[in-house]
Amino acid sequence: EVQLVESGGGLVQPGRSLRLSCAASGFTYDDYGMHWVRQAPGKGLEWVSGISWNSATINYADSVKGRFTISRDNAKNSLYLQMNSLRVEDTALYYCARLVGGTGWFDPWGQGTLVTVSA
Amino acid sequence: DIQMTQSPSSLSASVGDRVTIACRASQSISSYLNWYQQKPGKAPKLLIYTASTLQSGVPSRFSGSGSGTDFTLTLSSLHPEDFATYYCQQSYRTLYTFGQGTKLEIK
Repeated sequence: EVQLVESGGGLVQPGRSLRLSCAASGFTYDDYGMHWVRQAPGKGLEWVSGISWNSATINYADSVKGRFTISRDNAKNSLYLQMNSLRVEDTALYYCARLVGGTGWFDPWGQGTLVTVSA
Repeated sequence: DIQMTQSPSSLSASVGDRVTIACRASQSISSYLNWYQQKPGKAPKLLIYTASTLQSGVPSRFSGSGSGTDFTLTLSSLHPEDFATYYCQQSYRTLYTFGQGTKLEIK
């Protein structure tokens, strides 16, 4: 079974850092690009960042560029999101998702890890 | 960035109804349009990719159409488990963007 399990969320003060992880299983991890998508409480989906299978191509949403860093460890079947200089507006449920197909759709998604940024 | 606009933002319907949700892109995205369903407290689930291809395991009452800038998701006959929020997503540009969502509620 293809599975993605996020971890690392929690309550953090504005300006501080947090590192999210996503453990993948059930598929050949280094065949796929991986992405982070977030959802603020009661709001819609916002794509955050993505990384190609070999880490050669990395993209970020403007809202997190310069503050967040995506990375992956193919030997550990893991995806990471280092979040620095966190803001209240970064509060959200963070999902990792596998990118499928040449043009890209997300399937599956993990269950998410909640990040709360508050003083 | 490519902006995605869904309409309506919310919709009330009854079991058995036929429902259509629209998604419009701010520029042509060919057929690089995907649809997801999200139920409360759950992760999004892929329904349709490249505008009209049904994901494996998704009931045939779901269908998608469109190309360029205008797309639709159609549910031919609503089942109780279809009441959820639906999102479109463009994959034409790697700065992926989602529509704001359409909440489908029971009338």
